Amino acid sequence: AQSVAQPEDQVNVAEGNPLTVKCTYSVSGNPYLFWYVQYPNRGLQFLLKYITGDNLVKGSYGFEAEFNKSQTSFHLKKPSALVSDSALYFCAVWSGGYNKLIFGAGTRLAVHP
Amino acid sequence: GAGVSQSPRYKVAKRGQDVALRCDPISGHVSLFWYQQALGQGPEFLTYFQNEAQLDKSGLPSDRFFAERPEGSVSTLKIQRTQQEDSAVYLCASSLVSSGGVTDTQYFGPGTRLTVL
Repeated sequence: AQSVAQPEDQVNVAEGNPLTVKCTYSVSGNPYLFWYVQYPNRGLQFLLKYITGDNLVKGSYGFEAEFNKSQTSFHLKKPSALVSDSALYFCAVWSGGYNKLIFGAGTRLAVHP
Repeated sequence: GAGVSQSPRYKVAKRGQDVALRCDPISGHVSLFWYQQALGQGPEFLTYFQNEAQLDKSGLPSDRFFAERPEGSVSTLKIQRTQQEDSAVYLCASSLVSSGGVTDTQYFGPGTRLTVL
């Protein structure tokens, strides 16, 4: 079965500290992995994706993610958090056999001043 | 440039009413998707179009849900005889192409928040 797990409902971090939002996946074949961010009353904004190539992917707003095939993980990271990064983050995997994105339940990131 | 737009942004319906939700994808995007996002959850797939062809409607929860994209651009999601459990945010996304096991990035609209009383 194709699935995405985001094990943390919420992540709290102080402004200026590094942040990590975890994601693991299960999918047959080569995974296409995505991170999206959602602000209140807004749609999903694309942050970054892994298709192939370098395991470290850089995206928008200083975010990056590391693809780890052996651990089937795609954790989102940022070296220095901003209060404005506070939002809901979704990891997703493209299920090519089914032509759809499968999303995790989301992780709420709270960055405190 | 213009992104994906959806209308209305908010819709309140009485139980039993029919509703129609509209999605305008990014110009030139071949693939269009509808997702349903319940409160506190991640989006869940409803249906998928490649141009005007509806290639997958496996996520539609019942036969009260119907989607179309007659000219391969604008899409409408229609819900007949709405029920309280239909209350959710309905998200539309488009991509240049998504088929044959590969996909381009899906870009999402702001969503329509449907509340059924």
